[in-house]
Amino acid sequence: AQSVSQHNHHVILSEAASLELGCNYSYGGTVNLFWYVQYPGQHLQLLLKYFSGDPLVKGIKGFEAEFIKSKFSFNLRKPSVQWSDTAEYFCAVLDFGNEKLTFGTGTRLTIIP
Amino acid sequence: KAGVTQTPRYLIKTRGQQVTLSCSPISGHRSVSWYQQTPGQGLQFLFEYFSETQRNKGNFPGRFSGRQFSNSRSEMNVSTLELGDSALYLCASSLAWTGLGSPLHFGNGTRLTVT
Repeated sequence: AQSVSQHNHHVILSEAASLELGCNYSYGGTVNLFWYVQYPGQHLQLLLKYFSGDPLVKGIKGFEAEFIKSKFSFNLRKPSVQWSDTAEYFCAVLDFGNEKLTFGTGTRLTIIP
Repeated sequence: KAGVTQTPRYLIKTRGQQVTLSCSPISGHRSVSWYQQTPGQGLQFLFEYFSETQRNKGNFPGRFSGRQFSNSRSEMNVSTLELGDSALYLCASSLAWTGLGSPLHFGNGTRLTVT
């Protein structure tokens, strides 16, 4: 079964710092990749997605992610974080082999003003 | 457009009881998925329904069941509750079924506490 690893459980950054959150999945084949975000007190919402084509995808609020097939990775990046980026971030992988969407355990991001 | 609505928001039950959770998807969405969210485990997939048919299911015991009605509303039932069932249960809807890559729209969840 597909598994998704988010090695950073809690990341603390100062405002304006650069961000990179790691996401790795267990094995290849055709996949779709997603990042979801949960702001405090709000529901989970889609941040960005990769289906095919350009491996660098851009999402809302200045976030981007790069799909590196050879490394089974889909890391999330933002050049300069803001206090409002404080949230929990979940990576998810849709494996077309079993047609299941598997989520990582999430990374809690805290931005210090 | 109204979002995904889950009721109730909070539930407290005792071991051995059963519980039913309800989910109303976004209008026009035909797929409803259910997830269990616990600290450290992230989101664990329970099952997905599309057009009243269960399309996929996760690795949960048979005590967890669900159904979907003709108006796409869905219910999830957990029988013979155990302490380990305490969690946030999330419902998500999508236009098409998840296997096609259709992004999910989540509700705020139902917080179930089993004592």
